[in-house]
Amino acid sequence: NAGVMQNPRHLVRRRGQEARLRCSPMKGHSHVYWYRQLPEEGLKFMVYLQKENIIDESGMPKERFSAEFPKEGPSILRIQQVVRGDSAAYFCASSPGAPGGQPQHFGDGTRLSIL
Amino acid sequence: GQQVMQIPQYQHVQEGEDFTTYCNSSTTLSNIQWYKQRPGGHPVFLIQLVKSGEVKKQKRLTFQFGEAKKNSSLHITATQTTDVGTYFCAGPRQAGTALIFGKGTTLSVSS
Repeated sequence: NAGVMQNPRHLVRRRGQEARLRCSPMKGHSHVYWYRQLPEEGLKFMVYLQKENIIDESGMPKERFSAEFPKEGPSILRIQQVVRGDSAAYFCASSPGAPGGQPQHFGDGTRLSIL
Repeated sequence: GQQVMQIPQYQHVQEGEDFTTYCNSSTTLSNIQWYKQRPGGHPVFLIQLVKSGEVKKQKRLTFQFGEAKKNSSLHITATQTTDVGTYFCAGPRQAGTALIFGKGTTLSVSS
């Protein structure tokens, strides 16, 4: 069974460019979560999605950041006009059912570096 | 706002010594989960505690959930170099979506 797949593993962008991070949840999982991790920090919740729906985006900056989980294909976290402060590891996790009571399975993450 | 705090932030031990990390929540939690992240890796689920006062063991790891369901601890007996990593506790966000994580305790072990 494939786990949560994230790509790319590493992404380098110049300030002002766009970054697209992809996440395919585990088979049978319809709940996807995105987290951001800064060095020596915990995981900060960004957004929670189910197929075609954003359930909670309260942890995601209102500007430049967006997320989607289309009916077909992976979930995408999109960061427009990146700035140096966007440099971080972005982890995607999935669960089979309702959040909070289910363990989450994490992908390997995307390490985003902004030049 | 809702917070989950962990102490200590760092702990260095000699191989064979015991290790404990503590987790405190500002709110009562319906459950608490523990994850381990190896250096350069991703968080891996270890265990979930649900009941007040619950104690669970996994080989050398002992997990406890406080009576008030606001704190938890992870104790490792006789640490090994394979225990190196950052241990996170996490509880459900008040909004009922996703998890809120503590900042973690990073364990280093010297042989």
